[in-house]
Amino acid sequence: AQSVAQPEDQVNVAEGNPLTVKCTYSVSGNPYLFWYVQYPNRGLQFLLKYITGDNLVKGSYGFEAEFNKSQTSFHLKKPSALVSDSALYFCAVRAALPRQLTFGSGTQLTVLP
Amino acid sequence: DAGITQSPRHKVTETGTPVTLRCHQTENHRYMYWYRQDPGHGLRLIHYSYGVKDTDKGEVSDGYSVSRSKTEDFLLTLESATSSQTSVYFCAIAGTDTTDTQYFGPGTRLTVL
Repeated sequence: AQSVAQPEDQVNVAEGNPLTVKCTYSVSGNPYLFWYVQYPNRGLQFLLKYITGDNLVKGSYGFEAEFNKSQTSFHLKKPSALVSDSALYFCAVRAALPRQLTFGSGTQLTVLP
Repeated sequence: DAGITQSPRHKVTETGTPVTLRCHQTENHRYMYWYRQDPGHGLRLIHYSYGVKDTDKGEVSDGYSVSRSKTEDFLLTLESATSSQTSVYFCAIAGTDTTDTQYFGPGTRLTVL
């Protein structure tokens, strides 16, 4: 069975500071890893994914994530946080097949002005 | 929202009544998914479809059924709604390539009284 852990329910960071949202996973075989963001009363928006290749993946809105196979982690990062980055962030994992995604429970990011 | 609409967007119903939620896509994608989102659980897969008339169960399928008679429409039915099915329901779509990303609709907020 595949699983995702987001160990922090809430992350607070000051505007302009770097941010990290943590994610660890468990899956059989090579992982396909995804980050999504959800703003209030909206659907999930895709940020970035890791399938293969470079361990540092760049995505939308200046976000990036680092795949670490030995630590089974896929942490989301941004060098300089904006107040508008405040949202709920979800990490998700799946194997190549079957194609079902498993989501973490989400991390609420608050960027303080 | 990647050419995905969900209807209705909000619904309040009573225990024991049937409810059908509709997901409509304009992307001609093969794969369609229904998730529910509950606090502390992230998103959990209810059912998915890998083609017209081809569907399978997800992690939390009890009490739900689905149908897909056309590529563009994926229906989720609660045969007899219960209060435990109060949730936000999201539809997602994905293309044929195994590396394809799932894109999400805007969601339906269902309240069962």
